[in-house]
Amino acid sequence: DSGVTQTPKHLITATGQRVTLRCSPRSGDLSVYWYQQSLDQGLQFLIQYYNGEERAKGNILERFSAQQFPDLHSELNLSSLELGDSALYFCASSVQGNTEAFFGQGTRLTVV
Amino acid sequence: GDSVTQMEGPVTLSEEAFLTINCTYTATGYPSLFWYVQYPGEGLQLLLKATKADDKGSNKGFEATYRKETTSFHLEKGSVQVSDSAVYFCALSDRASGTYKYIFGTGTRLKVLA
Repeated sequence: DSGVTQTPKHLITATGQRVTLRCSPRSGDLSVYWYQQSLDQGLQFLIQYYNGEERAKGNILERFSAQQFPDLHSELNLSSLELGDSALYFCASSVQGNTEAFFGQGTRLTVV
Repeated sequence: GDSVTQMEGPVTLSEEAFLTINCTYTATGYPSLFWYVQYPGEGLQLLLKATKADDKGSNKGFEATYRKETTSFHLEKGSVQVSDSAVYFCALSDRASGTYKYIFGTGTRLKVLA
Protein backbone atom coordinates (compact mmCIF):
# COMPACT_ATOMS: atom_id res chain seq x y z
CA ASP A 1 0.00 0.00 0.00
CA SER A 2 1.58 3.25 -1.21
CA GLY A 3 -0.57 5.45 1.02
CA VAL A 4 -2.02 7.28 -1.99
CA THR A 5 -5.75 6.75 -2.37
CA GLN A 6 -7.66 7.23 -5.59
CA THR A 7 -11.40 7.04 -6.06
CA PRO A 8 -13.27 5.68 -7.83
CA LYS A 9 -11.36 2.62 -9.06
CA HIS A 10 -13.52 2.23 -12.12
CA LEU A 11 -15.73 4.67 -13.98
CA ILE A 12 -17.86 4.12 -17.05
CA THR A 13 -19.51 7.11 -18.63
CA ALA A 14 -20.88 8.32 -21.94
CA THR A 15 -19.31 10.68 -24.44
CA GLY A 16 -19.95 14.33 -23.68
CA GLN A 17 -20.20 13.78 -19.95
CA ARG A 18 -18.10 15.19 -17.14
CA VAL A 19 -16.37 13.22 -14.37
CA THR A 20 -14.27 14.00 -11.32
CA LEU A 21 -11.42 11.82 -10.13
CA ARG A 22 -10.21 12.18 -6.59
CA CYS A 23 -6.80 11.67 -5.03
CA SER A 24 -5.68 11.72 -1.41
CA PRO A 25 -1.89 11.95 -1.14
CA ARG A 26 0.28 10.26 1.46
CA SER A 27 0.26 11.97 4.80
CA GLY A 28 2.75 14.82 4.74
CA ASP A 29 3.25 14.89 0.98
CA LEU A 30 2.74 18.35 -0.49
CA SER A 31 3.16 17.54 -4.18
CA VAL A 32 0.48 15.82 -6.22
CA TYR A 33 0.89 14.70 -9.82
CA TRP A 34 -1.64 13.43 -12.32
CA TYR A 35 -0.78 11.04 -15.15
CA GLN A 36 -2.73 9.43 -17.95
CA GLN A 37 -1.79 5.94 -19.07
CA SER A 38 -3.20 4.64 -22.30
CA LEU A 39 -2.17 1.57 -24.24
CA ASP A 40 -0.62 3.38 -27.15
CA GLN A 41 0.91 6.40 -25.40
CA GLY A 42 2.52 5.15 -22.23
CA LEU A 43 2.51 7.34 -19.12
CA GLN A 44 1.74 10.97 -19.90
CA PHE A 45 2.25 13.71 -17.34
CA LEU A 46 -0.79 15.93 -17.02
CA ILE A 47 -0.30 18.39 -14.17
CA GLN A 48 1.41 18.95 -10.82
CA TYR A 49 0.34 20.81 -7.70
CA TYR A 50 2.45 21.78 -4.73
CA ASN A 51 0.75 22.86 -1.52
CA GLY A 52 -2.32 24.07 -3.35
CA GLU A 53 -0.61 25.83 -6.23
CA GLU A 54 -0.18 24.63 -9.78
CA ARG A 55 3.52 24.00 -10.44
CA ALA A 56 3.81 22.33 -13.80
CA LYS A 57 1.63 21.47 -16.74
CA GLY A 58 2.19 18.69 -19.19
CA ASN A 59 0.03 17.41 -22.00
CA ILE A 60 -3.24 18.32 -20.38
CA LEU A 61 -6.18 19.09 -22.62
CA GLU A 62 -8.20 22.27 -22.15
CA ARG A 63 -11.21 20.06 -21.38
CA PHE A 64 -9.34 18.80 -18.32
CA SER A 65 -8.70 20.76 -15.16
CA ALA A 66 -7.43 20.01 -11.69
CA GLN A 67 -7.09 21.57 -8.29
CA GLN A 68 -5.53 20.85 -4.93
CA PHE A 69 -7.51 21.73 -1.85
CA PRO A 70 -6.30 23.08 1.53
CA ASP A 71 -6.35 19.56 2.98
CA LEU A 72 -4.02 18.62 0.08
CA HIS A 73 -6.36 16.22 -1.65
CA SER A 74 -6.68 16.80 -5.38
CA GLU A 75 -9.35 16.41 -7.99
CA LEU A 76 -9.01 15.98 -11.73
CA ASN A 77 -12.03 17.10 -13.72
CA LEU A 78 -12.56 15.73 -17.19
CA SER A 79 -15.32 17.26 -19.30
CA SER A 80 -16.85 16.82 -22.75
CA LEU A 81 -15.49 13.32 -22.66
CA GLU A 82 -14.48 11.57 -25.86
CA LEU A 83 -13.84 7.91 -26.58
CA GLY A 84 -10.11 8.64 -26.73
CA ASP A 85 -10.13 9.77 -23.10
CA SER A 86 -10.57 6.16 -22.01
CA ALA A 87 -7.44 5.37 -20.02
CA LEU A 88 -5.98 4.74 -16.60
CA TYR A 89 -5.52 7.93 -14.62
CA PHE A 90 -2.89 7.83 -11.90
CA CYS A 91 -2.24 10.19 -9.08
CA ALA A 92 1.14 10.30 -7.35
CA SER A 93 2.47 12.26 -4.42
CA SER A 94 5.85 13.17 -3.04
CA VAL A 95 7.29 15.24 -0.24
CA GLN A 96 9.00 17.44 -2.78
CA GLY A 97 9.95 17.17 -6.41
CA ASN A 98 13.30 15.49 -6.23
CA THR A 99 12.29 12.63 -3.99
CA GLU A 100 10.50 9.51 -5.08
CA ALA A 101 6.86 9.71 -6.02
CA PHE A 102 4.32 7.23 -4.69
CA PHE A 103 1.48 6.16 -6.94
CA GLY A 104 -2.11 5.32 -6.28
CA GLN A 105 -3.82 2.30 -7.81
CA GLY A 106 -5.37 4.43 -10.53
CA THR A 107 -8.85 5.12 -11.85
CA ARG A 108 -9.83 3.24 -14.97
CA LEU A 109 -12.06 5.48 -17.05
CA THR A 110 -14.08 3.98 -19.86
CA VAL A 111 -15.96 6.33 -22.16
CA VAL A 112 -18.67 4.64 -24.22
CA GLY B 1 13.74 19.39 -22.72
CA ASP B 2 14.31 16.52 -20.34
CA SER B 3 13.63 13.03 -21.64
CA VAL B 4 14.04 9.35 -20.86
CA THR B 5 14.62 6.66 -23.44
CA GLN B 6 14.35 3.01 -22.59
CA MET B 7 14.58 -0.11 -24.67
CA GLU B 8 11.45 -1.29 -26.35
CA GLY B 9 9.88 -4.50 -25.27
CA PRO B 10 8.61 -6.95 -24.83
CA VAL B 11 11.57 -8.74 -23.35
CA THR B 12 11.04 -12.47 -22.94
CA LEU B 13 13.44 -14.46 -20.79
CA SER B 14 13.61 -17.89 -19.24
CA GLU B 15 13.64 -18.18 -15.47
CA GLU B 16 17.11 -17.63 -13.96
CA ALA B 17 18.32 -15.68 -17.00
CA PHE B 18 20.21 -12.39 -16.68
CA LEU B 19 18.20 -9.23 -17.24
CA THR B 20 19.30 -5.87 -18.60
CA ILE B 21 16.86 -3.11 -19.48
CA ASN B 22 18.64 -0.10 -20.95
CA CYS B 23 17.72 3.44 -19.97
CA THR B 24 19.34 6.70 -21.04
CA TYR B 25 18.33 10.22 -20.20
CA THR B 26 18.79 13.85 -21.12
CA ALA B 27 18.44 16.52 -18.48
CA THR B 28 19.42 20.14 -18.03
CA GLY B 29 20.31 19.82 -14.36
CA TYR B 30 21.25 17.07 -11.94
CA PRO B 31 18.34 14.68 -11.95
CA SER B 32 17.40 11.96 -9.55
CA LEU B 33 16.80 8.67 -11.35
CA PHE B 34 14.26 5.97 -10.62
CA TRP B 35 13.03 2.61 -11.74
CA TYR B 36 9.37 1.82 -11.18
CA VAL B 37 7.59 -1.50 -11.72
CA GLN B 38 3.96 -2.00 -12.65
CA TYR B 39 2.39 -5.40 -12.09
CA PRO B 40 -0.80 -6.25 -13.99
CA GLY B 41 -3.78 -4.28 -12.75
CA GLU B 42 -1.76 -2.25 -10.28
CA GLY B 43 -0.19 1.16 -9.93
CA LEU B 44 3.48 1.94 -10.28
CA GLN B 45 5.74 0.94 -7.40
CA LEU B 46 9.15 2.38 -6.77
CA LEU B 47 11.75 -0.32 -7.35
CA LEU B 48 14.97 1.62 -6.74
CA LYS B 49 16.47 5.07 -7.00
CA ALA B 50 19.75 6.97 -7.24
CA THR B 51 20.16 10.65 -6.51
CA LYS B 52 23.68 11.44 -7.70
CA ALA B 53 26.37 10.24 -10.07
CA ASP B 54 27.90 6.81 -9.30
CA ASP B 55 25.15 5.97 -6.81
CA LYS B 56 23.90 2.41 -7.09
CA GLY B 57 20.27 1.71 -6.30
CA SER B 58 19.28 -1.83 -5.39
CA ASN B 59 16.19 -3.69 -4.27
CA LYS B 60 14.85 -7.27 -4.55
CA GLY B 61 17.93 -8.36 -6.53
CA PHE B 62 17.61 -5.51 -9.03
CA GLU B 63 20.40 -2.97 -9.43
CA ALA B 64 21.05 0.18 -11.42
CA THR B 65 24.02 2.56 -11.36
CA TYR B 66 23.74 6.30 -12.10
CA ARG B 67 26.30 6.88 -14.86
CA LYS B 68 26.64 10.57 -15.58
CA GLU B 69 29.33 10.12 -18.24
CA THR B 70 27.03 7.96 -20.35
CA THR B 71 23.76 9.48 -19.06
CA SER B 72 22.49 6.00 -18.35
CA PHE B 73 20.69 4.10 -15.59
CA HIS B 74 20.42 0.53 -16.84
CA LEU B 75 18.41 -1.96 -14.78
CA GLU B 76 19.97 -5.38 -14.13
CA LYS B 77 19.09 -8.56 -12.30
CA GLY B 78 21.25 -11.63 -12.18
CA SER B 79 18.51 -14.26 -12.12
CA VAL B 80 14.93 -13.40 -12.99
CA GLN B 81 11.87 -15.20 -11.69
CA VAL B 82 8.42 -15.67 -13.16
CA SER B 83 7.14 -13.25 -10.52
CA ASP B 84 9.29 -10.49 -12.06
CA SER B 85 7.01 -10.38 -15.08
CA ALA B 86 5.78 -6.79 -15.20
CA VAL B 87 6.28 -3.47 -16.97
CA TYR B 88 9.37 -1.52 -15.90
CA PHE B 89 9.59 2.27 -16.17
CA CYS B 90 12.71 4.37 -15.99
CA ALA B 91 12.11 7.91 -14.75
CA LEU B 92 13.90 11.08 -13.76
CA SER B 93 13.12 14.07 -11.63
CA ASP B 94 15.08 17.15 -12.58
CA ARG B 95 15.43 19.41 -9.62
CA ALA B 96 17.30 22.09 -11.56
CA SER B 97 14.36 22.93 -13.75
CA GLY B 98 12.24 24.14 -10.89
CA THR B 99 9.22 22.30 -12.17
CA TYR B 100 9.85 19.08 -10.26
CA LYS B 101 7.93 16.93 -12.64
CA TYR B 102 8.80 13.31 -13.21
CA ILE B 103 9.63 12.25 -16.75
CA PHE B 104 8.94 8.60 -17.55
CA GLY B 105 10.19 6.34 -20.27
CA THR B 106 7.67 4.43 -22.33
CA GLY B 107 8.03 1.29 -20.24
CA THR B 108 9.49 -2.12 -21.04
CA ARG B 109 7.35 -5.18 -20.64
CA LEU B 110 9.21 -8.18 -19.21
CA LYS B 111 7.85 -11.70 -19.52
CA VAL B 112 9.64 -14.49 -17.70
CA LEU B 113 8.88 -18.06 -18.69
CA ALA B 114 9.13 -21.01 -16.32
